[in-house]
Amino acid sequence: QSVLTQPPSVSAAPGQKVTISCSGSSSNIGNNYVSWYQHLPGTAPKLLIYENDKRLSGIPDRFSGSKSGTSATLGITGLQTGDEADYYCGTWDSSLSAVLFGGGTKLTVL
Amino acid sequence: QVQLQESGPGLVKPSQTLSLTCTVSGGSITSGSHYWSWIRQPAGTGLEWIGHIYPTGSTNYNPSLKSRVTISVDTSKTQFSLQLRSVTAADTAVYYCARGLYYYDSGETYYFDYWGQGTLVTVSS
Repeated sequence: QSVLTQPPSVSAAPGQKVTISCSGSSSNIGNNYVSWYQHLPGTAPKLLIYENDKRLSGIPDRFSGSKSGTSATLGITGLQTGDEADYYCGTWDSSLSAVLFGGGTKLTVL
Repeated sequence: QVQLQESGPGLVKPSQTLSLTCTVSGGSITSGSHYWSWIRQPAGTGLEWIGHIYPTGSTNYNPSLKSRVTISVDTSKTQFSLQLRSVTAADTAVYYCARGLYYYDSGETYYFDYWGQGTLVTVSS
């Protein structure tokens, strides 16, 4: 079981908006920055967001990140079928001196 | 453009040592705030960080794997390697190498900007 908690799955219709949460603690999300990755089967994970809310160059502004306290959120607007993937949050845990990933959230665009 | 490529056996027998190498091209392995990581994904589960190495040789490992893992670096070959000892079927996974950026700025920042394509390692007799 992951230290960072994400919902196993979310779904929404094309064109709609979805949010994916990532919950941690003071030793990780509460005091450190969060990144978000998109993972399509058979491919390498792709960095979307770093430092909580910064989009990597080339990532559409439909993707956004935010953090409040010990939780972080990835938002995706204007959903497209191509957005169907697994999404992971990640951060550094200062107590463990280790990188943590959330358990992953499967996005289905209905 | 930085590229990473994993290489190594796709089949390892139980109790033996899994050994993988990641070759980095298109960039220096010794520059900046870059840490070089191994990450794995067992079938049907999520990503698990195994550990990382800084070009100086400094390492950190996932506490749950620390007793069985060694990560090393060969800067002259722009490669870093993973050894996972005493493997079992639970170590069957797709293994990725990745470049991490790690720095402190009002909080610790760590993210992976380049990944290898991944290699499937199966532990079976």
